Amino acid sequence: GAGVSQTPSNKVTEKGKYVELRCDPISGHTALYWYRQSLGQGPEFLIYFQGTGAADDSGLPNDRFFAVRPEGSVSTLKIQRTERGDSAVYLCASSFIPGLKSKDTQYFGPGTRLTVL
Amino acid sequence: QKEVEQNSGPLSVPEGAIASLNCTYSDRGSQSFFWYRQYSGKSPELIMSIYSNGDKEDGRFTAQLNKASQYVSLLIRDSQPSDSATYLCAVSGANFGNEKLTFGTGTRLTIIP
Repeated sequence: GAGVSQTPSNKVTEKGKYVELRCDPISGHTALYWYRQSLGQGPEFLIYFQGTGAADDSGLPNDRFFAVRPEGSVSTLKIQRTERGDSAVYLCASSFIPGLKSKDTQYFGPGTRLTVL
Repeated sequence: QKEVEQNSGPLSVPEGAIASLNCTYSDRGSQSFFWYRQYSGKSPELIMSIYSNGDKEDGRFTAQLNKASQYVSLLIRDSQPSDSATYLCAVSGANFGNEKLTFGTGTRLTIIP
C-alpha cells in the first residue's frame, strides 16, 4: 500500500492480558517509530527503529512494553500484563532517511485504539 | 517547562480570515520543525516542514521559524471550514541519534462560517 498501515484498528482487552499491535511502514522507509497518544495530548514517543535494531527505546514506559522489527520492515509492539492506564491510541510512523533534512518527514499510520477494561 | 509548548485553544477564526498558530520549544539543538493537522479521531497529517530561519510558503500555508527565539508559527490564509482541526507542532533534533519527534499538546482551531 501507499501509506503506513496498522492492525488492528481497535483492540479491547482485559486488565492483565497480553496484546500485540502491528505496523507496516511505507515501502522503502528505513526508520519506524511508535508513539502513544492520550486524549487531548500530542503523540508521545515510545521507540524508534533504524532497520532491524532499536536505535532509541527511551520512551518505553516500563518493561511491560517491548517492540520488534525482525526483518527491517513490519514491526510489532507488544504489551504484557496490560493496565487501564495503557489505554490510548498507538501510532506508528515511518520515514525515509532519518537525520537528513527533507528526507526525515515522519508519515503516520491510522493508529490502533487500545482499550483496557 | 514542557519541551514544546502550544496554546491549546480553542482558537476561533472567521472563514476567509488568517489563522495564526504559535509554538515555542526549549531544546536549542532542534533542527527540524513540523506542523501536523489532526482531525478528530484521525491520525496526524503533515502540513508543513521547515528547517531554516525565515518563512516557507505552500499554498495557503506559511510556516515561520526563528531559531534565536525558539519559535515556530503557522499561518493559514483564507481559512476554510475544512481547516477546523487540531494543529500539532513537532520538533526533532534531525541529527543521527536524535530523530524522535517531540510534540506539543496541539491547538484546536475552529473556522466559523
